[in-house]
Amino acid sequence: AQSVTQLDSQVPVFEEAPVELRCNYSSSVSVYLFWYVQYPNQGLQLLLKYLSGSTLVKGINGFEAEFNKSQTSFHLRKPSVHISDTAEYFCAVSAVSYNTDKLIFGTGTRLQVFP
Amino acid sequence: EADIYQTPRYLVIGTGKKITLECSQTMGHDKMYWYQQDPGMELHLIHYSYGVNSTEKGDLSSESTVSRIRTEHFPLTLESARPSHTSQYLCASRWHNSPLHFGNGTRLTVT
Repeated sequence: AQSVTQLDSQVPVFEEAPVELRCNYSSSVSVYLFWYVQYPNQGLQLLLKYLSGSTLVKGINGFEAEFNKSQTSFHLRKPSVHISDTAEYFCAVSAVSYNTDKLIFGTGTRLQVFP
Repeated sequence: EADIYQTPRYLVIGTGKKITLECSQTMGHDKMYWYQQDPGMELHLIHYSYGVNSTEKGDLSSESTVSRIRTEHFPLTLESARPSHTSQYLCASRWHNSPLHFGNGTRLTVT
């Protein structure tokens, strides 16, 4: 079975500052990793995904994440945040298999960007 | 822009009522899912479907039921709503093993 831990429930940051949202996972098998963003009163939108290949993954809105297998982490980063990045961010994992239906989500990190 | 639609967006209903949350997608996705989301908690999978006439229970036990009579439609029904059902319900779909595409959710309050 897989599990996901998002270490920070809330991350306050000033506009134009860099940010890192932490995600650690546990799994006995190889995994796919995802970051989703949820804006207020909306559903989740895919930011980026790691399936294989390069461990540094670039996503939409200037976000990137790095897969670190030895540390079982998939931290999300952005070098300079905007007010519009204020949202809830979810890390998710699924086992590498033919049928990757079981997507396990973390509890989310609320990013609050202040002017 | 959402290609997966959930109605209603908000619903306040009394205990004991039967309700159906609607979910439709126009992308021709074969797989559809219902997640339950509570504040500060992870999303929990409650139902999923691989295609027409296919329904499976997810990891979180739920008193709700689903049906998949048409590819594009995956409604969730609660026969008798209770305050413990108060939550946000998110519908999602995907084609084969592509990433999930989510609707905007239905926020249900049972009084």
